Amino acid sequence: DIVMTQTPLSSPVTLGQPASISCRSSQNLVHSDGNTYLSWLQQRPGQPPRLLIYKISNRFSGVPDRFSGSGAGTDFTLKISRVEAEDVGVYYCMQATQFPFTFGPGTKVDIK
Amino acid sequence: QVQLVQSGAEVKKPGASVKVSCKASGYTFTGYLIQWVRQAPGQGLQCMGWINPNSGGTNYAQQFQGRVTMTRDTSISTAYMELSGLRSDDTAVYYCAKGRGSDYWGQGTLVTVSS
Repeated sequence: DIVMTQTPLSSPVTLGQPASISCRSSQNLVHSDGNTYLSWLQQRPGQPPRLLIYKISNRFSGVPDRFSGSGAGTDFTLKISRVEAEDVGVYYCMQATQFPFTFGPGTKVDIK
Repeated sequence: QVQLVQSGAEVKKPGASVKVSCKASGYTFTGYLIQWVRQAPGQGLQCMGWINPNSGGTNYAQQFQGRVTMTRDTSISTAYMELSGLRSDDTAVYYCAKGRGSDYWGQGTLVTVSS
């Protein structure tokens, strides 16, 4: 199975300041079809996960443009340009290149 | 609008089985995989497997093989996940999600396994 790791696991941030989360996979995530199935999910307290970013850098419908994704191969990053109160939650990277799909351990983002 | 609506919470005894449903609407049900993911209390997300609603084909994570069965009823756009031989460590919220990209998620179904 592909192992996904994230750093940091906890990120206290000041409102209005940027935040960044790194995700690393144990194998290259480029699929044979040429796509890289790396997504970022947000889970607010008591809610199901919500898709933010798919295929590395594509913002899903309705996701604010303060969220951005980048990376390639085995190293990926989620950035929040200016953290807002509603961004509090746990963020997961997920790979869907190889079955079983696997998730990172999650990064908890909260307000200082 | 796309929606995945799951069945309600369940309480089961060890050794029993549970069947969770996921009713899809707002898109072509047979056009996208349905993935099942579980989340134990205070823990992260774990893929259980997926079903192709068009063909009925399935792919189960090794950890669940022999205990999980995923089915679908295309006439009512509903996918099902049945887990047998329940143990206390199967206590979790079970989610369905649409497609390889997991772009839409159900609200989750809490399954509690307790004697």
